[in-house]
Amino acid sequence: AAGVIQSPRHLIKEKRETATLKCYPIPRHDTVYWYQQGPGQDPQFLISFYEKMQSDKGSIPDRFSAQQFSDYHSELNMSSLELGDSALYFCASSPPGLASTDTQYFGPGTRLTVL
Amino acid sequence: LAKTTQPISMDSYEGQEVNITCSHNNIATNDYITWYQQFPSQGPRFIIQGYKTKVTNEVASLFIPADRKSSTLSLPRVSLSDTAVYYCLVGGRYNNNDMRFGAGTRLTVKP
Repeated sequence: AAGVIQSPRHLIKEKRETATLKCYPIPRHDTVYWYQQGPGQDPQFLISFYEKMQSDKGSIPDRFSAQQFSDYHSELNMSSLELGDSALYFCASSPPGLASTDTQYFGPGTRLTVL
Repeated sequence: LAKTTQPISMDSYEGQEVNITCSHNNIATNDYITWYQQFPSQGPRFIIQGYKTKVTNEVASLFIPADRKSSTLSLPRVSLSDTAVYYCLVGGRYNNNDMRFGAGTRLTVKP
């Protein structure tokens, strides 16, 4: 079965540079979530989109922005990168039609290293 | 947002049953309870979800008392490969209440 695809899988950037992470949800899933997980930390929710509109916002820094496109893929744009942004970034997607549940299917993650 | 509390860590031995309890005292009426499993450097993986009473699937059971202020994930006959971090989440998408990961339980299964 198709899974969530994230690209790139690994990314190395310098401080103050920008980065763009991409997420391709499972086909026909309409909701996308972004999480940041630092070393030894629990996943921290950043932001989510439902039907191309932002649905919830967590601890996403102002330097980051995200959007969901018409084909439902999503991009997380990160600017003025800091050393503390080094982390695993996970994208997850949820299918439509489940009124009150929120089963999320996670991608393999993008490991961002800021030097 | 409903806050969850779980034990930080648990140890078990192969073949034993493991029960991990999660407290969620301020769970909302429409919230569901979902458990995820995460291995190092991998995305969390859905295990089981429930609203009340008991739910069972091929990998686990979920027990939810009538007041829904807690839930217990039960893993039967664990193996070394069940060593992972387990997260309990509470919420529901259409409540404008996306679920948040709290501090999970690090389960270590020993031979």
